[in-house]
Amino acid sequence: SQQGEEDPQALSIQEGENATMNCSYKTSINNLQWYRQNSGRGLVHLILIRSNEREKHSGRLRVTLDTSKKSSSLLITASRAADTASYFCATDANDMRFGAGTRLTVKP
Amino acid sequence: DAGVIQSPRHEVTEMGQEVTLRCKPISGHDYLFWYRQTMMRGLELLIYFNNNVPIDDSGMPEDRFSAKMPNASFSTLKIQPSEPRDSAVYFCASTGGGSNEKLFFGSGTQLSVL
Repeated sequence: SQQGEEDPQALSIQEGENATMNCSYKTSINNLQWYRQNSGRGLVHLILIRSNEREKHSGRLRVTLDTSKKSSSLLITASRAADTASYFCATDANDMRFGAGTRLTVKP
Repeated sequence: DAGVIQSPRHEVTEMGQEVTLRCKPISGHDYLFWYRQTMMRGLELLIYFNNNVPIDDSGMPEDRFSAKMPNASFSTLKIQPSEPRDSAVYFCASTGGGSNEKLFFGSGTQLSVL
């Protein structure tokens, strides 16, 4: 398939810990995006990183992109219970098709 | 801006009935996407439009599904006849400035076909 694939499928951590999720894809891209979905809600855009960028920050979020390995990672630092959600990646190479996502649970 | 607006929020219907889901994209956005989300199949892209024209409908499951965008501010997804396996959350999303830029999602329609 052409969509990004997130891993792990599920991640459970304690509040205050860092959470790292990964995304792999198969073809060359111009950009990669990360989204968050709280239970029962629509996806919310987090960060867009372009192929000529290696790292991008937004608040407690840090996204890296390695085009040679066709992979990206999303790091959430100092996690909070409110970060509990599913996280998805999508690339421009697949017309915004999403993978199965990573289900993050942050325990208080 | 009110964001992407979907209606109804919840729909319960009986097998065989026609179902129409509605979406109003953000004003000025020229791309509109329809997705379906289930536990088994995840988030599937059904169809997307650019300037009211369907660009890729390869994700539409079968002929029972149809989508239209009669103007820039309105789109419908119709299922006729509906089946229990169509039960899912259906999301609409829109974006401007290119099909691969930031998507804005609606709150979704929870469809239950009994």
